[in-house]
Parts: sequence; structure tokens; C-alpha cells
Amino acid sequence: ETGVTQTPRHLVMGMTNKKSLKCEQHLGHNAMYWYKQSAKKPLELMFVYNFKEQTENNSVPSRFSPECPNSSHLFLHLHTLQPEDSALYLCASSQDKRVEDEKLFFGSGTQLSVL
Amino acid sequence: GQNIDQPTEMTATEGAIVQINCTYQTSGFNGLFWYQQHAGEAPTFLSYNVLDGLEEKGRFSSFLSRSKGYSYLLLKELQMKDSASYLCAVRALNDYKLSFGAGTTVTVRA
Repeated sequence: ETGVTQTPRHLVMGMTNKKSLKCEQHLGHNAMYWYKQSAKKPLELMFVYNFKEQTENNSVPSRFSPECPNSSHLFLHLHTLQPEDSALYLCASSQDKRVEDEKLFFGSGTQLSVL
Repeated sequence: GQNIDQPTEMTATEGAIVQINCTYQTSGFNGLFWYQQHAGEAPTFLSYNVLDGLEEKGRFSSFLSRSKGYSYLLLKELQMKDSASYLCAVRALNDYKLSFGAGTTVTVRA
């Protein structure tokens, strides 16, 4: 248990569906992240929030929409996804993104399949 | 960004030693991390190196050579539970973001 909880663990959706991924951290951290992990590929940073403000959007298509209502919760809203969006979506948190040796605490991820 | 290379797969025997290499190219270096990820689970932090040399934590050690753009993770006295993917990640200077390698899947056999 890393202190970062993601739901659902698995999600299958059609290309016309709208769904949301949820992440909650119980560590009192101020920075939260969304990463995409595809098989045999490096983790790709998607979005970063620091103190509830979005500080990074790594050229992510608009069909992915993040929301961070407070420092403990992070959502990723999905709509009109493509099959190539199928991947493991990982949420992570850290105390403060600006600290050099800051380590990330990851959730177990949501395995997304787009049909 | 950074170009980070690590082997895709490695296999070793229980009780043995395995060394996972990671090479990187970056315009400025500000730290290297190793994470462990068991199948279906969250990546978890193993080690952090920012200065040259060896950092030892029990059965796991991590080495860094900044001049060579090189690190390795050494796993000693391998146990079956060490079967996992090991991710190398680098932080560039003046950038808080981590760039990850694709991971090395280590399989420990009895």
C-alpha cells in the first residue's frame, strides 16, 4: 500500500463512451501526476498539478481532461477515446514537485481498454 | 528530453546477483531514481543517486557515474519476490520532471 488509491482497477470502454478515472492520496502531498504506461514503453507524463494548479500538460489530446478539486484528489475524464489510448494509467503524488530528490508515490493504476 | 536505455529483460537464478544497467543522455543532470514495479502493482521507490558512487540499501545497491551517463542497480541474494520490472528515471537540471526508461523485466528462477 503506497497511500495512493486509484479506481477503477480495470475499465473497458467504447470509443463513444465517457468515463472518469479517480485517484486519491492519503499522504498529505501537494503535487499529483497522471502517467500513461504502455507495454514495453517508458512512462509518459501527461499532467501535473502542484497545490491544485495545473503546471504541466504534456501535449495530451483534449479527449483527456484532468481535474484536481483539492490536493488529495485527482480525476482524469475520458471521452471519445481511440484504441491506441488503451494502456495502464498511473496516478502519482509527491510532497512538492520542486524538491530535487523528491520521490513519487504511485497508485496501482487503471488498466484501460478501448474497443 | 533525456534518452534513457536499459535492457528489456534479464533472467537470473535464486540466490544469485543481477546487475541492471541504465545509460542516459541529458543536457543537464539532477538525479537518477530506480523504481520497482511488480506485475499489476504500483511502481515503488528503490533508490536515488545524485553524486557519483555507490548507495547501498540491504540487498539492493545503486551506482552512478555522471561523467559516463551511467547507472546500475545491483540486486544481491536474489529471491523469487524480486521478479519484477525495474525502472530507471532521470531528472534534468532546472526541470522537476522525471524521464523514465522502458523498464527491465527481471525473472528469478528457482
